[in-house]
Amino acid sequence: DVKVTQSSRYLVKRTGEKVFLECVQDMDHENMFWYRQDPGLGLRLIYFSYDVKMKEKGDIPEGYSVSREKKERFSLILESASTNQTSMYLCASRLSGQGVHQPQHFGDGTRLSIL
Amino acid sequence: GENVEQHPSTLSVQEGDSAVIKCTYSDSASNYFPWYKQELGKRPQLIIDIRSNVGEKKDQRIAVTLNKTAKHFSLHITETQPEDSAVYFCAATFHNSNYQLIWGAGTKLIIKP
Repeated sequence: DVKVTQSSRYLVKRTGEKVFLECVQDMDHENMFWYRQDPGLGLRLIYFSYDVKMKEKGDIPEGYSVSREKKERFSLILESASTNQTSMYLCASRLSGQGVHQPQHFGDGTRLSIL
Repeated sequence: GENVEQHPSTLSVQEGDSAVIKCTYSDSASNYFPWYKQELGKRPQLIIDIRSNVGEKKDQRIAVTLNKTAKHFSLHITETQPEDSAVYFCAATFHNSNYQLIWGAGTKLIIKP
């Protein structure tokens, strides 16, 4: 069974801090994703990575960056946290699929509060 | 831009009745349509998906139908049970991207005893 582990379930940080959210998957998946989830807005893609050291911007990349130095780990970085980044953050991973779209497997999420 | 509209935002049904959630997509190139269920405080989990070369797919009490001409797809849950209470999300692939999905806003399904 696929396991996607996010480092923290709850996190409280202060405005202006640099925040790191970590995600690790154990199934050798090529693709990894970071979303934020807000009520009434569904899941919005922040960044994704189709392989090690590769990254692509999603729909809402402003204020965020990512790092994928190893295949199993995908980190989301809030360069200078702001209150409007208070949200639930979800990490997902999936096999590349070789042209056939494969489902995404999610972590439990990190509820981040910026004070 | 491309989007996926999901209706209704909240659906309340009597236990044992059927529930239907509908999504409309704008990108005619979309070719993969998954449905995820998210129980309170838990991760979204895939419950069923359909590809554009198929019109209907069924798995026990849940089914998904796809109308490519009208660009909409629906989730059908029959004989609803209390454990079906959750938020359901639909999604569609973005253009022919092998990576990106566009997500609906979610439907909160409430099963009344």
